[in-house]
Amino acid sequence: KAGVTQTPRYLIKTRGQQVTLSCSPISGHRSVSWYQQTPGQGLQFLFEYFSETQRNKGNFPGRFSGRQFSNSRSEMNVSTLELGDSALYLCASSLVASGFKTQYFGPGTRLLVL
Amino acid sequence: AQTVTQSQPEMSVQEAETVTLSCTYDTSENNYYLFWYKQPPSRQMILVIRQEAYKQQNATENRFSVNFQKAAKSFSLKISDSQLGDTAMYFCAFMIGSGGSNYKLTFGKGTLLTVNP
Repeated sequence: KAGVTQTPRYLIKTRGQQVTLSCSPISGHRSVSWYQQTPGQGLQFLFEYFSETQRNKGNFPGRFSGRQFSNSRSEMNVSTLELGDSALYLCASSLVASGFKTQYFGPGTRLLVL
Repeated sequence: AQTVTQSQPEMSVQEAETVTLSCTYDTSENNYYLFWYKQPPSRQMILVIRQEAYKQQNATENRFSVNFQKAAKSFSLKISDSQLGDTAMYFCAFMIGSGGSNYKLTFGKGTLLTVNP
């Protein structure tokens, strides 16, 4: 079974631009979560989607948004980019079943904001 | 709110030896999951092992095992017969178990493990 895939793998943007990142979960997984990883703040939860609905949201400004499609693929968008948004963005998927909440991660998208 | 603490920013071990990484957490929840993930230089986050809080038996996965002390809120990872490929950043993570809609992982800051030949 194919793992979680993320596109693009690398991205360079300038301040003020917006960016969209994509995540395709493992086949059959319906929950998709997004995390931001930076050297200073470590790994921080952004949001989680299930059945096209955002169920949980981390403490990030409204510039960070996401959505999920009917095939469980997810996108996250960051508008009005700031230098501090430079990070590795990780997507993780989970099989939503009783007692099984393990998240499996994709390779990440490295975003550099200049 | 839950917190996860990894007190060892860096550790090193000789190939074939055993090493233990520490993790403590703070929560008022009774039902939760604990995980160890590794992140090698490729940056791919890989699941190493997981433990359900309601299970008293410590989880094991080949050379990896945990020492789960629920009362002490401690969750250490033991790597036996260390291999060069074990060199990575290791993250301890927590997830609330109750409530089917909670899929948020809280991570520690990580421990950089280097396995020396």
